[in-house]
Amino acid sequence: QQQVKQSPQSLIVQKGGISIINCAYENTAFDYFPWYQQFPGKGPALLIAIRPDVSEKKEGRFTISFNKSAKQFSLHIMDSQPGDSATYFCAAGNSGGSNYKLTFGKGTLLTVNP
Amino acid sequence: DAGVIQSPRHEVTEMGQEVTLRCKPISGHDYLFWYRQTMMRGLELLIYFNNNVPIDDSGMPEDRFSAKMPNASFSTLKIQPSEPRDSAVYFCASSVLGRQAFFGQGTRLTVV
Repeated sequence: QQQVKQSPQSLIVQKGGISIINCAYENTAFDYFPWYQQFPGKGPALLIAIRPDVSEKKEGRFTISFNKSAKQFSLHIMDSQPGDSATYFCAAGNSGGSNYKLTFGKGTLLTVNP
Repeated sequence: DAGVIQSPRHEVTEMGQEVTLRCKPISGHDYLFWYRQTMMRGLELLIYFNNNVPIDDSGMPEDRFSAKMPNASFSTLKIQPSEPRDSAVYFCASSVLGRQAFFGQGTRLTVV
């Protein structure tokens, strides 16, 4: 019930292309869906997050699309750049009560070729 | 603020030895999380604290693992005795109200 499934495991995109990473969750109590970006040797850093009351959120070149009925959400990176090469994690959490823990997907290694 | 500070950055130890990982959360944050990252299992939540009190330790793999938070500015994760399968990167993260979690740079633990 607590799983978050992320795909693909790895992704290679040409500079200027669109990168798309997908996640699916099972627990309908989840109400917070962040995406984290991790560079080698660093800790994950929050990239963008969405709550289920909206279907899309955009910040610069990064967009989250959210489908509540399908229990799926995705990250789109427009005009992908070599500097975007990193591992991306989706996560889901429940902000109700005192249970604020996040469940993470397994990650997607994105490589953007110049 | 310097962010979440973890020490050491790297630790190599022999099987059976005690290992202590340290974390200083961001000042004012009331939640502290310990995660373990491996290629096979990804990011796993081990334990988290709210206002220095352990809330959920269901992710702690075995009794060999223990965590403490004696005050708002310091937490430790201890493994005793350590085993080769404990080799991983251990992250500490902190947040306000459990929302945006800020991660430290991690401690890479190698048990030989």
